[in-house]
Amino acid sequence: QQQVKQSPQSLIVQKGGISIINCAYENTAFDYFPWYQQFPGKGPALLIAIRPDVSEKKEGRFTISFNKSAKQFSLHIMDSQPGDSATYFCAAPKPRDTPLVFGKGTRLSVIA
Amino acid sequence: DVKVTQSSRYLVKRTGEKVFLECVQDMDHENMFWYRQDPGLGLRLIYFSYDVKMKEKGDIPEGYSVSREKKERFSLILESASTNQTSMYLCASCPIRDYPYEQYFGPGTRLTVT
Repeated sequence: QQQVKQSPQSLIVQKGGISIINCAYENTAFDYFPWYQQFPGKGPALLIAIRPDVSEKKEGRFTISFNKSAKQFSLHIMDSQPGDSATYFCAAPKPRDTPLVFGKGTRLSVIA
Repeated sequence: DVKVTQSSRYLVKRTGEKVFLECVQDMDHENMFWYRQDPGLGLRLIYFSYDVKMKEKGDIPEGYSVSREKKERFSLILESASTNQTSMYLCASCPIRDYPYEQYFGPGTRLTVT
């Protein structure tokens, strides 16, 4: 069964610092690796996604880095702000099947 | 904006009761999903559906069933609720079958079974 291993489980970062969350996946035949962001009391929402034919994608302060040979991808949040405090999930598609498999999530707290 | 709504934000049921969780999306999405979210376990897929009257088992279908009679509506059914089904239940929809990464989630239903 496809698994996605996400680390760390929780992360505390000072305001203005860099938050880094890592994910490792197994085999997949599909093309997109998304990150979702979930605020308390809300459902997850797509934050950013990357295709494995590029090694990096940047949207504002959020950057995904992708290492296809190592089957790893990571989310970097630059200049982290208290408003970034949320739970972040990485996901990968299953091989031969379309639903996503989610990592177990990382609870990020950005403190002033 | 895509809107996915769930019938209840909070629900308390007794052990053995039959429970219906309703989900409606307003963007004509083909795919719909039911997940449960538990601390430390992330999001786990219960069932999903690619079309009306179609259903596929996810990773943890035991104790659950689903119904999709209309494209916009996907119901999760707990035939006989048990305390280990106390959880947050999240519904999601997705516009294109081959790109499941773009899922739109509802706000969730926090179910407590006593």
